[in-house]
Amino acid sequence: RKEVEQDPGPFNVPEGATVAFNCTYSNSASQSFFWYRQDCRKEPKLLMSVYSSGNEDGRFTAQLNRASQYISLLIRDSKLSDSATYLCVVTPRGTALIFGKGTTLSVSS
Amino acid sequence: EPEVTQTPSHQVTQMGQEVILRCVPISNHLYFYWYRQILGQKVEFLVSFYNNEISEKSEIFDDQFSVERPDGSNFTLKIRSTKLEDSAMYFCASSESGGGLTGELFFGEGSRLTVL
Repeated sequence: RKEVEQDPGPFNVPEGATVAFNCTYSNSASQSFFWYRQDCRKEPKLLMSVYSSGNEDGRFTAQLNRASQYISLLIRDSKLSDSATYLCVVTPRGTALIFGKGTTLSVSS
Repeated sequence: EPEVTQTPSHQVTQMGQEVILRCVPISNHLYFYWYRQILGQKVEFLVSFYNNEISEKSEIFDDQFSVERPDGSNFTLKIRSTKLEDSAMYFCASSESGGGLTGELFFGEGSRLTVL
C-alpha cells in the first residue's frame, strides 16, 4: 500500500462550485498532516495544516479522521485561481514530509 | 520576502557524468531537504539534513547521491554518475523547525536535470 494515496482526478468544475478531495495514508503512527498546492511546473507551497479537530481557512476546510487514516480538503466557491494540483502530505516518521501524487483541479468560467 | 534559491535552473548532462545542484536555503532555517519530481509523477523525498548531518534519507538516496553544506549558506546535492532515470526536477527546501512540526517547508523553484 502506498504511503499516501489520493483521488486520481482530474476534477473539472465551474466557477463557484464546491469540490472535495480525499486522501488516505498507510502509517497509523503519522503525526502531522498538510495540504500543499502545486501550480504547473512550479514548486509546492503550503496551503494549510490539518488538525484533528478540523480547520478552516477562508473557503478551504480540512478534516482528519485518524481512525480511518483519511484526510479531506473542501474548497467552496471555486475560483479560476484555484486551478492547480493539490498534494496531500503526511509525516509518517521523523521530519520528512511524504507527498501524495496529487489531485488536479481545473476551474472554468 | 526570504526565499530558497537554486542553481542551475536547468542542466543537461551525459549519462555517467557527475552533477552538483546548489541551493541557498533561507538564512535562519535549520533543516534542509532535497526532493525530486519526475515529470508527471509525485514529489519524492530524498534526504533531510540538520546540524551538519543527514537526519533522514529515502531508498532513492543511494550511494550515488551525497549532500553537503560546504559553508554557512550553500546546501548541495551531488549525483556521482548520472543515469537516464535521474532526469527530474530537483527541489531544495528548508524549514525553521523540522518540517513535521510545522509543515511549512519553503521550496526553491527547482533545478531541472536532463540526462542524455
